Amino acid sequence: DIQMTQSPSSLSASVGDRVTITCRASQAISYSLAWYHQKPGKAPKVLLYAASRLESGVPSRFSGSGSGTDYTLTISSLQPEDFATYFCQQYYSTPYTFGQGTKLEIK
Amino acid sequence: EVQLVQSGAEVKKPGKSLRISCKGSGYNFTSYWINWVRQMPGQGLEWMGRIDPSDSYTNYSPSFQGHVTISADKSISAAFLQWSSLEASDTAMYFCARGDYASGRYYIPLRSWGQGTLVTVSS
Repeated sequence: DIQMTQSPSSLSASVGDRVTITCRASQAISYSLAWYHQKPGKAPKVLLYAASRLESGVPSRFSGSGSGTDYTLTISSLQPEDFATYFCQQYYSTPYTFGQGTKLEIK
Repeated sequence: EVQLVQSGAEVKKPGKSLRISCKGSGYNFTSYWINWVRQMPGQGLEWMGRIDPSDSYTNYSPSFQGHVTISADKSISAAFLQWSSLEASDTAMYFCARGDYASGRYYIPLRSWGQGTLVTVSS
């Protein structure tokens, strides 16, 4: 199985801040990476796929980058609705695997 | 509009069997894999496996192989997740999710999600 190591596990930030979350895969995953956010009691929602492509309807303040084993999610200017838990997921091979999650909280 | 609607919350005793469902609408149900994802209380996401509804071919995570069964009935556009003997450790929220293509070429395995089914196993 491909292991996904996500950091940080939690993050405290203010509205307007720029934040970055990283994911490292245990082997190269050839851009087969998606980012999700999840609010309490709700299903996850795709933000980005193929490492850097923005899902339809997702604000442009979200961006992704990376290659090989290392990937990054950046939120350029935090909005109140962005406080949630974020997960990365590799889909290079099954079993698909997720990072442990990053809980983004209001400072 | 693509929709995945899951069955309601369940409370069961250990050792009992259970089947939960995920009904697709707004698309050709046999054209896209259905995946199941577990989220234990306060924890992260775990991919359990998937099914191709066109032929019921399944693909399980080794962590769940042998403990759950994934099936589908294309005549009613529904996928199922089944346990023959529940354990307390099966207490979790279970999501179904459908794969899809974006921009006609990028596959997103978990693009559309059901609302989740909460399963509680307690004596």
